[in-house]
Amino acid sequence: QSVLTQPPSASGTPGQRVTISCSGSSSNIGSNFVYWYQQLPGTAPEVLIYRNNQRPSGVPDRFSGSKSGTSASLAISGLRSEDEAVYYCAAWDDSRSARVVFGGGTKVTVL
Amino acid sequence: EVQLLESGGGLVQPGGSLRLSCAASGFTFSDYAMNWVRQAPGKGLDWVSGISPSGSITYYADSVKGRFTISRDNSRNVLYLQMNSLRAEDTAIFYCAKGPFPIGDTTNYYPFHWGQGTLITVSS
Repeated sequence: QSVLTQPPSASGTPGQRVTISCSGSSSNIGSNFVYWYQQLPGTAPEVLIYRNNQRPSGVPDRFSGSKSGTSASLAISGLRSEDEAVYYCAAWDDSRSARVVFGGGTKVTVL
Repeated sequence: EVQLLESGGGLVQPGGSLRLSCAASGFTFSDYAMNWVRQAPGKGLDWVSGISPSGSITYYADSVKGRFTISRDNSRNVLYLQMNSLRAEDTAIFYCAKGPFPIGDTTNYYPFHWGQGTLITVSS
């Protein structure tokens, strides 16, 4: 069971907007940055969003991140077939066992 | 260009040991926190361990504490993970990952650049 909670799946048709939620607690999302990663089939993950809402160079502005309290979300607008992947959220956790914690991942399907 | 190349993976028996290496290039290795993240077959991402830029501070997931040891050689730009008392549930692809910014605080243990991973299979 993951420390951060994500829906296992999400879907949309090309051009639609899809939102993925990530729920945590005061020791992780509530007090630290949230990162989002995209993992295409058979490849290593890549960072999509860092520090809650920043995009690395090369990431399209169709991807956006936000955070409020102990929850965060990733939005994909103008969904494209190449967006079909698994998306993970992550945050540093300040609890007794300080560590990075991940969500369980959300598989996005483009219908 | 940041490059991270893991090596040392393979098949090991339960209770055995293995040492992973990650050769880093394309950035000033000694300025960045580094991490190991694993992914069991068909499963999600699982952060294993992180180490500060100097190597003086380390963090571990509870599941590997006391069995795994992270270290680094800043003179050779290499990150290591010594894995002892391996279990079947340690079977996974292990990724080496670099932190985002050249600062040693906990805001910079997030994986930012990832290697391609090396597969560890623990089985008799």
